[in-house]
Amino acid sequence: EPEVTQTPSHQVTQMGQEVILRCVPISNHLYFYWYRQILGQKVEFLVSFYNNEISEKSEIFDDQFSVERPDGSNFTLKIRSTKLEDSAMYFCASTRTVMNTEAFFGQGTRLTVV
Amino acid sequence: AQSVTQLDSQVPVFEEAPVELRCNYSSSVSVYLFWYVQYPNQGLQLLLKYLSGSTLVESINGFEAEFNKSQTSFHLRKPSVHISDTAEYFCAVLFYNQGGKLIFGQGTELSVKP
Repeated sequence: EPEVTQTPSHQVTQMGQEVILRCVPISNHLYFYWYRQILGQKVEFLVSFYNNEISEKSEIFDDQFSVERPDGSNFTLKIRSTKLEDSAMYFCASTRTVMNTEAFFGQGTRLTVV
Repeated sequence: AQSVTQLDSQVPVFEEAPVELRCNYSSSVSVYLFWYVQYPNQGLQLLLKYLSGSTLVESINGFEAEFNKSQTSFHLRKPSVHISDTAEYFCAVLFYNQGGKLIFGQGTELSVKP
């Protein structure tokens, strides 16, 4: 079965450092998403990406965040200067169509900012 | 406003007892509805979904959910739970013509005790 893979599974970083979270979506999917889950809270939408540009972003996705599809397979989320409150589980998802009826999620990257 | 509410944050039950996890949404447009499950230290897995047609949908492991348009609900049920069903369950809604992002409820922690 196809799957979305995320690396690393866990990352610890110092406050103020830049981090890049990586995702490999399913190969024939065209739409990509990042979601965030702060410990004990609900999963929140961050950003959607299609055709090499951001389709939609939430209020959480401020100037400290950026996304990129640097090649034909990877989809990355960069946080420029991490804050303590960025500590969360970050999920990547991909879908074949914009109507997200078959969204596949990765296993997540747990980011801990110290 | 469009929102998703899971009324119970925690549901403790005994093994082989029935369970219902409640989900309500608010929307002025058509919706697609999903239940995701998150086992401890794992990612999100799609449990079942309602897109159209029969309002009762089932998963392969005995869960079912019924779309009730008049009550704007999509409650998840299982007639007899197992220890292995212990997990966090998230209701998610895709609002038609609102892009491909999923809006998640707060999650319900199902704890099955022997």
